[in-house]
Amino acid sequence: ELKVEQNPLFLSMQEGKNYTIYCNYSTTSDRLYWYRQDPGKSLESLFVLLSNGAVKQEGRLMASLDTKARLSTLHITAAVHDLSATYFCAATNYGGATNKLIFGTGTLLAVQP
Amino acid sequence: NAGVTQTPKFQVLKTGQSMTLQCAQDMNHEYMSWYRQDPGMGLRLIHYSVGAGITDQGEVPNGYNVSRSTTEDFPLRLLSAAPSQTSVYFCASSYNFGGELFFGEGSRLTVL
Repeated sequence: ELKVEQNPLFLSMQEGKNYTIYCNYSTTSDRLYWYRQDPGKSLESLFVLLSNGAVKQEGRLMASLDTKARLSTLHITAAVHDLSATYFCAATNYGGATNKLIFGTGTLLAVQP
Repeated sequence: NAGVTQTPKFQVLKTGQSMTLQCAQDMNHEYMSWYRQDPGMGLRLIHYSVGAGITDQGEVPNGYNVSRSTTEDFPLRLLSAAPSQTSVYFCASSYNFGGELFFGEGSRLTVL
């Protein structure tokens, strides 16, 4: 059964600093997704990573996928307050017997001015 | 540009009552799903559907029923509400399974 773990669960960082959120998953996953959620709001898609070695970047966020290590990372460069949100990763065994997208528990990011 | 529409946004129920959370999408998406979000638990998949007439269980299906009679609609039914079902519920859809998932605004349910 596919399980997805994120760490850290909570991250407080200063503006201008760099940090990485880690997403581990337990079984083979062909696709990895990152979402952002602002307090009281819905989820917004950030990245879809489709293959081993995939790297995607938008603004100060960069996501990568290592399917052999079953690991995805979301790297934050020179954080700004506007990046404060909860970030979720989700994995799936695309093409497998089930069509389930399983989410991690989320990382609450607080960027302090 | 409605996207994924959920109703109601807020609901308070008494234990044992039944209700239906509505979800509709206007993007002609084949894949639809329901998640519940609880503090510290992330999003957990309740049920999903890969097309009209096809549904399957997710991680936490007990106490919930779904049906998919049309491509557009995917209602979630609580048969006999329990306090443990107090949560925020999100409906999501994608063109097909594996594609980018679009979420509704959420429905906050409280069971007393």
